[in-house]
Order: sequence, then C-alpha cells, then structure tokens
Amino acid sequence: QSALTQPASVSGSPGQSITISCTGTSSDVGRYNLVSWYQQHPGKVPKVMIYEGSKRPSGTSNRFSGSKSGNTASLTISGLQAEDEADYYCCSYAGDSIYVFGSGTKVTVL
Amino acid sequence: QLQLQESGPGLLKPSETLSLTCTVSGGSISSINYYWGWIRQPPGKGLEWIGTIYYSGSTYYNSSLRSRVTISVDTSNNQFSLRLSSVTAADTAVYYCASLPFADYYFKSWGQGTLVTVSS
Repeated sequence: QSALTQPASVSGSPGQSITISCTGTSSDVGRYNLVSWYQQHPGKVPKVMIYEGSKRPSGTSNRFSGSKSGNTASLTISGLQAEDEADYYCCSYAGDSIYVFGSGTKVTVL
Repeated sequence: QLQLQESGPGLLKPSETLSLTCTVSGGSISSINYYWGWIRQPPGKGLEWIGTIYYSGSTYYNSSLRSRVTISVDTSNNQFSLRLSSVTAADTAVYYCASLPFADYYFKSWGQGTLVTVSS
C-alpha cells in the first residue's frame, strides 16, 4: 500500500482554476471509482470535499469537482478564492476494506 | 450528526504501547450503517490510514502497521479503541478517529485529533 502520488504544491491567482492530480495504480485508483478528497487548513481537521470520485457532500461548493482517467484522479477548484488555500489529500479505496491516502498538495492562492 | 472525540495519553516512551479511545455520540457504534477508522498525521506530514473496524468486530489494517496494531469496539460505552505496540519516535503524530458510512467509502466525520508524542 504505497501512498498515492500528488504534486507537492499547486498555485493560482484568485478567480483562476487549478487541478490537483492523484496518481495510483491499477489496484486502487484505476480499479475503483472511489477516490475522496480532503481539505485541511493549518491546525484543523480534514474535511471531505469530494467522494466516490465526483460526488460533493451537502454544503460543499460546486467550485470543487472531481474526475478520473486511468490510474489518475483529479480535483479541480474553479474560481479560486483565498479561503481555498490549504492542504489537499486524496484517498482511494483499494479493495478488502483497505484505504490509501495521497502524499498531499499545498494549494497557494497568489 | 455524529460526533467523535479521541482520548488517551499524550506522551509515551519508546517501546511502550499507545492506547487511544474514540467516544462516539449522536449515533450508535453498533449501527450497521458505519465503519469506524483511525488515521494519523505526523507533524508537518501527510495523512496515513491505520485501520478500520465494523461493529461486528471485523478489522482491516494498514499492512505496514499490521503487526503492531489492534482496533477494537466497546459497544457498552459506544467507543472504539486503538492499540499500537512497541512505539518509536516515528509514531509521533496527531491521531484522528473517523466514521465511514457503509458503502460510501470515505471518512465523513472526524474527531478533533489528539497529539501523541513518543520521546525518552
């Protein structure tokens, strides 16, 4: 169960769109459309933003969207806002009730 | 709305056993609708899934920790627990408990987290 690979950092200006990638294998991301994405502000508890690849929990802004292609899942934040500056983690189901997190991406709003 | 709260010692010595408890409120630990999990985050680093338990007692562990980890459920107190043996400095982390809705495959509700430091 190796950690999923995410870019260490992504940045964008207010109003722009950014995309964070999450690369796994054919045993996790590629096999199941069950990737979730978590936002974590400094010193705070992670909060789910996307689950099952592209579903948004109630209350999550529609500026957040998820997708997948092959072994790579992606989180796109459109209309970037200052409050979006945080760390983001992907997490994939890997079968047999096993989960694996990504390495994390720091999003900076310029 | 489920609420979870971790509790346990914040400081351990190397080779000791880490024991944490997660108290669940707003729902039953015996519900068929949830799995219960533990996740940790070393200072300045990323999240790591430790393991998950179902009310029936079925457990699932991260292969890298399996030899040292035990997760159990205490239905009488609406709690579930984590034990991690033979700790080292590498086990220093914030430990979170969380709920996973059955068949939804994500960590929905989280506790506030508790910092456990391993130091001699």
